[in-house]
Amino acid sequence: AQSVTQLDSHVSVSEGTPVLLRCNYSSSYSPSLFWYVQHPNKGLQLLLKYTSAATLVKGINGFEAEFKKSETSFHLTKPSAHMSDAAEYFCVVSGDTGRRALTFGSGTRLQVQP
Amino acid sequence: SQTIHQWPATLVQPVGSPLSLECTVEGTSNPNLYWYRQAAGRGLQLLFYSVGIGQISSEVPQNLSASRPQDRQFILSSKKLLLSDSGFYLCAWRGLRDRYEQYFGPGTRLTVT
Repeated sequence: AQSVTQLDSHVSVSEGTPVLLRCNYSSSYSPSLFWYVQHPNKGLQLLLKYTSAATLVKGINGFEAEFKKSETSFHLTKPSAHMSDAAEYFCVVSGDTGRRALTFGSGTRLQVQP
Repeated sequence: SQTIHQWPATLVQPVGSPLSLECTVEGTSNPNLYWYRQAAGRGLQLLFYSVGIGQISSEVPQNLSASRPQDRQFILSSKKLLLSDSGFYLCAWRGLRDRYEQYFGPGTRLTVT
């Protein structure tokens, strides 16, 4: 079975400073990993995905994540936060079953202070 | 390009009333379709998924049901709503060429009073 743990439920940064959202995963298989973002009362948008190619994955809006197998981590980073980055972020791991299910973390709420 | 629609966007229903939420996908054929529920302050819970017309798998026993009458239409229903059914309902699709990633609709906010 697979699982994902987002280590921080809330993260607050100042505009222009770096963002780090932490995620650890557990999987019996070589997983696919994703980060999704959800703005208030909106659906989820795919930020980036790791599917066993390059370990450093670049996504939209300047975000990137690094897959570290030895640490079972997939942390999300951005060099400089923008006010529009304030949202809920979900780390997601794939399940290797016929239904191709996804297992979601509990989410990290990012606040960006002016 | 592919788009996914959900309606209504918001809904307020009394306890014991029926429910019908609709999801449609455009620009793709034979997608896998999913219904999730997001309760306040929680992550997403998979409710149902479908790999084709009339093929529904339930993940969590409850008073909800799902149907797929057409290839790109997915409906979530209930005969009698409970207070605990309140939440944000999200529909998602996965294309045949997508290994795992799913694409989400805008969601429906359901409040049961």
